[in-house]
Amino acid sequence: QKEVEQDPGPLSVPEGAIVSLNCTYSNSAFQYFMWYRQYSRKGPELLMYTYSSGNKEDGRFTAQVDKSSKYISLFIRDSQPSDSATYLCAMSARTGGFKTIFGAGTRLFVKA
Amino acid sequence: DTAVSQTPKYLVTQMGNDKSIKCEQNLGHDTMYWYKQDSKKFLKIMFSYNNKELIINETVPNRFSPKSPDKAHLNLHINSLELGDSAVYFCASSRTEQETQYFGPGTRLLVL
Repeated sequence: QKEVEQDPGPLSVPEGAIVSLNCTYSNSAFQYFMWYRQYSRKGPELLMYTYSSGNKEDGRFTAQVDKSSKYISLFIRDSQPSDSATYLCAMSARTGGFKTIFGAGTRLFVKA
Repeated sequence: DTAVSQTPKYLVTQMGNDKSIKCEQNLGHDTMYWYKQDSKKFLKIMFSYNNKELIINETVPNRFSPKSPDKAHLNLHINSLELGDSAVYFCASSRTEQETQYFGPGTRLLVL
């Protein structure tokens, strides 16, 4: 079993839809949880960064962490064509050095 | 001003050759990383350095040798290139190990 599981998609939604992206993980030592967005032929860029369980909102983006279920989510409200990208979840733990493990990424297409 | 830069952007080479990829960050960060992203977009840590000291060395063939001449630079040298080394290599940096990682644009390596 991979440490971080993420459905690679692709996920196709109409403009204006609410998008829900999810990851599950197996290592209870993970403390920091992140969502990165990666456009085609670009490096990943950080969208959301949360520590431990709870919700965090930033504009149209909401990140949720449920440590008891080992489950994290990213919600995108009022999705736009410019949101079309690959979304990677990532999580960090100190295991012989502070290591970040990435999910496989979910490809999202938002149709105009 | 580019925060994390990598050279070259594209690298096409023959099997068996030796090549280097350079990375520079102008963010004043202490920690730098090399990641490999395969054709399925899976992003995996290879190495991390903190203040020029190797912190993480994942199970990477020892044909791959990172070198950090100073805090702002982390280069990756690859000996005896193999077909399976074809991937996108991303450099990243962060202020400390726990903080947000900023990624470079990637180096697309194709081994023929």
